[in-house]
Amino acid sequence: GQQVMQIPQYQHVQEGEDFTTYCNSSTTLSNIQWYKQRPGGHPVFLIQLVKSGEVKKQKRLTFQFGEAKKNSSLHITATQTTDVGTYFCAGNTGTASKLTFGTGTRLQVTL
Amino acid sequence: NAGVTQTPKFQVLKTGQSMTLQCAQDMNHEYMSWYRQDPGMGLRLIHYSVGAGITDQGEVPNGYNVSRSTTEDFPLRLLSAAPSQTSVYFCASSYSGGYAGELFFGEGSRLTVL
Repeated sequence: GQQVMQIPQYQHVQEGEDFTTYCNSSTTLSNIQWYKQRPGGHPVFLIQLVKSGEVKKQKRLTFQFGEAKKNSSLHITATQTTDVGTYFCAGNTGTASKLTFGTGTRLQVTL
Repeated sequence: NAGVTQTPKFQVLKTGQSMTLQCAQDMNHEYMSWYRQDPGMGLRLIHYSVGAGITDQGEVPNGYNVSRSTTEDFPLRLLSAAPSQTSVYFCASSYSGGYAGELFFGEGSRLTVL
């Protein structure tokens, strides 16, 4: 079945440093979504990418979908303590009704 | 709008007991799904539904049943609880029709099976 892996599993940065998480799928994705889950909370939708090579920005967050539509990345510029949480990617393959989540990257930010 | 409401928030079961996790949404979403979250394994899809009367299996359906008699409700039944089902369960819905678009999650139900 489809597998979606994320690296790193965990990253600890100091406030102001940049952060990047990478998402890799074993199969081509029709689209990719990103979610953020704060500690003790539930996942919250951030963005969806659909086109090959697509890049989208939300303030300090930059999302990219690979040319082959098998990988994606989330980059945070100048992290803040409010960025703490686990970031998940999730993708649809040919079975569009099944959204497969990546393993997640937990981000810790300290002052 | 309450969004996606899950009950109970916490539950402790003994091995072999059965129970139902309730999920209701008031956004008129066609798509609903159940995920379980375990440390280091992300969220894994248990069952999903693209509309009332239609359900299908996800990655880890064994030991769970679902039904979708109304658009609003999507309960998850554990038939005979096992310690391996100790997890946090999330219900999620989407306005998209036949595919899983932006998911709106409930707050989760933490289940412990002794």
